[in-house]
Amino acid sequence: GAVVSQHPSRVICKSGTSVKIECRSLDFQATTMFWYRQFPKKSLMLMATSNEGSKATYEQGVEKDKFLINHASLTLSTLTVTSAHPEDSSFYICSASGLALYNEQFFGPGTRLTVL
Amino acid sequence: AQTVTQSQPEMSVQEAETVTLSCTYDTSESDYYLFWYKQPPSRQMILVIRQEAYKQQNATENRFSVNFQKAAKSFSLKISDSQLGDAAMYFCAYTEGNKLVFGAGTILRVKS
Repeated sequence: GAVVSQHPSRVICKSGTSVKIECRSLDFQATTMFWYRQFPKKSLMLMATSNEGSKATYEQGVEKDKFLINHASLTLSTLTVTSAHPEDSSFYICSASGLALYNEQFFGPGTRLTVL
Repeated sequence: AQTVTQSQPEMSVQEAETVTLSCTYDTSESDYYLFWYKQPPSRQMILVIRQEAYKQQNATENRFSVNFQKAAKSFSLKISDSQLGDAAMYFCAYTEGNKLVFGAGTILRVKS
């Protein structure tokens, strides 16, 4: 149980375009979802926390107009990177937690974004 | 600021031997959870072991066990009978509210 999927697993886009990444909890209701960014051989950096039906809470230094997060249902959250630039290239990971899961976060497999 | 310190950027262990990864943390909370996550080359984060801070007994999960010293805010991971598949980056983390605070990670290499 507690499986989280992400789509796409990797995406290449041109500078200036927008890219949407989906995160789904497949077998539980995720009251909270988290989006992380990770650079090679570095730790996970929390970008934002989203609760179903409410606005996301962004960490300091994360541009909320560039990284749009929507958590419209208990099983789906999306991250849209708007007007992407090469410096946005990174590995993006989502995680999800539910009320009955002791605050444990279950992680998706990640999405590698490359902006040309 | 709440922090997690993993003082060993890289560790090596011979197959079948035992290795211990260190972790210290700093929190003002009295109730929290501690985790060790493994991230293999696939980059999928995998939960290795979990410890509730209110429990004195150290958690164990097959070949993986922890040494939890609450007063010292220390949470080390011991891997026994190391296997090639244990090679990965290991992250220590604790809960701060509903968030996770991660350490910088330790790369574990397993030699055959």
